[in-house]
Amino acid sequence: DSGVTQTPKHLITATGQRVTLRCSPRSGDLSVYWYQQSLDQGLQFLIQYYNGEERAKGNILERFSAQQFPDLHSELNLSSLELGDSALYFCASSVGAPTGELFFGEGSRLTVL
Amino acid sequence: GQNIDQPTEMTATEGAIVQINCTYQTSGFNGLFWYQQHAGEAPTFLSYNVLDGLEEKGRFSSFLSRSKGYSYLLLKELQMKDSASYLCAVSYGQNFVFGPGTRLSVLP
Repeated sequence: DSGVTQTPKHLITATGQRVTLRCSPRSGDLSVYWYQQSLDQGLQFLIQYYNGEERAKGNILERFSAQQFPDLHSELNLSSLELGDSALYFCASSVGAPTGELFFGEGSRLTVL
Repeated sequence: GQNIDQPTEMTATEGAIVQINCTYQTSGFNGLFWYQQHAGEAPTFLSYNVLDGLEEKGRFSSFLSRSKGYSYLLLKELQMKDSASYLCAVSYGQNFVFGPGTRLSVLP
């Protein structure tokens, strides 16, 4: 158990819909990272937050947004969903310094039909 | 830009040794990580290198050459459970970027 909690574990929805994925980092970790992993693909970095502020942005679509709340949990919002958004979405946390390892949650598997 | 390369697939025999290579080009470097990922599961941390040289951790070792932008993960005494994807990741600035991963199949 990494200590990172993601909900929901599985989600099935239709094209055009909007979903919210939630992540609770390990106790004490200030940084939260979101990654997308499509079938048989690598981890694609979406966005990073540190103590409530956006720190780095990857190839995140405009239809996607995220935030980190004062209690340090984070939410990833995906809207106007398309078939190609079907993927595993991982949240990872770290203490903050980029020299520390990332601890991954179990992921949220999104299926868009 | 950031670029990390790894072989897509490798096959090895149970009990053997396998070396998975990783080359990287990043603007800035804080360290290099190796993660193991079984299909459909979360990546788990294997090793971390920040200085040149070899880091040994049981059956797994990782090597780094910063001047060459090169690392490898060495797996000894392969077991069937080592069949997984192995991800090379570089930490730079405030970010971690992952390579495409190498899918290792261990055959009996």
